[in-house]
Formats: sequence, structure tokens, C-alpha cells
Amino acid sequence: AQSVTQLDSHVSVSEGTPVLLRCNYSSSYSPSLFWYVQHPNKGLQLLLKYTSAATLVKGINGFEAEFKKSETSFHLTKPSAHMSDAAEYFCVVTFSGGYNKLIFGAGTRLAVHP
Amino acid sequence: GAVVSQHPSRVICKSGTSVKIECRSLDFQATTMFWYRQFPKQSLMLMATSNEGSKATYEQGVEKDKFLINHASLTLSTLTVTSAHPEDSSFYICSAGLAGGNTDTQYFGPGTRLTVL
Repeated sequence: AQSVTQLDSHVSVSEGTPVLLRCNYSSSYSPSLFWYVQHPNKGLQLLLKYTSAATLVKGINGFEAEFKKSETSFHLTKPSAHMSDAAEYFCVVTFSGGYNKLIFGAGTRLAVHP
Repeated sequence: GAVVSQHPSRVICKSGTSVKIECRSLDFQATTMFWYRQFPKQSLMLMATSNEGSKATYEQGVEKDKFLINHASLTLSTLTVTSAHPEDSSFYICSAGLAGGNTDTQYFGPGTRLTVL
């Protein structure tokens, strides 16, 4: 069965410092992995996705994530946090092929302090 | 591109009434639309998958007679919460996949907050 675990429910960083949001997955099949961001009162926005191409995936707004099969991880990073990055982040897994269910992690709320 | 809208954004209703939520793909055709539910400070849970012109597929534990889904066209899906009760209060989010597009990518609407008094 597919599942995804976000290891931190809340992460707080200072503006300009690095961001690390952790995600581990479980999948019996070749997974597709995503990171979505949800700002208050707005729809989910896709940050990036991994679909068995390059293991280091670059997304929008300076975010990137690295797929590590040996660690079953897909952590999201950003070198320097911006105030506008404060939001809820979801790690999502599905297995490749067809319209498959997106399985969401519990979410990590990122707070960015001046 | 690939914008999904939902209407209404917020709705408050009395217990026992029915509420309809619309999900529209504004600039693309969506063969498949998905309905999610998000409780406060929790993640999204898939309720059902709807394909244009056919019956929706509901996830285990979701009452199909309570949450009626219609996907009559390639740009519109509706979710009707029938005989709503306070426990149905939640944030309902739809998503849509491009017809003929990458099957992994879903575009999400902004959500509808339902409060049942």
C-alpha cells in the first residue's frame, strides 16, 4: 500500500535561512512524488514532482527535492526562506500509470520569522 | 493556464438542508475530477473520483447517497451534500486532470468551506 509520512507538523525558520521539510514514503510500485503548497484560502499549488527521471527535482520559487530510493525519502529544501514561503506544505505519493489516487501526507506548516 | 474554480467559496446552512458545490475547469477540459475533504489542521482525504459521463467512484467509507457527484460535462463537476449535519462541516476541495494530459498532474480549486449549523 502507498503511504506518505511528513515527519514534522510544524517547522519554524528565520527569513534567509535554509528550509528542510521532511517526507518519507512507502510504495509497492514505482512512485510518483509531489510537493504541494497551500496558502490560506487558496488552492493547492504544485511545487515540483518526481516521476522517475532525475532524482534531484527543481521546482518553483527556489524549492527542490531529492528522491532517495534507499532512504525512501523525498525531502523538500530551499536555500533561503522568504516570508512569502509561510504556508502549509503537503508531500504526496501516487504510483505511475493512469489517473491514480493522490495520497497526501499530514502536512507541514512552515512559519518564517523576520 | 489550468485554472480550477469552485463556487461558492463559503457556505453556511442549517442542519437538514442540501448544499451544492460547483467545480469548474476554466481554461481546459477535464476528463476526470476529484473531490477531497479537509478537516481543520488535517490533510486532504479523497472522497471520490468522477469521470465525465459516468458514475463517480467513491472511496471506502464515503456515503454515495449523502455526497452526490455529477460530472455532466468536461468542465463542470458538482458535489451535493444532502441532508447536511454539523459533522459534515469541512473544507471541500476539487481537482481536475487535463483530458489527454499527464495523468499524474491534478489542478486544484481554491476550496469551499461548508459550515452546517
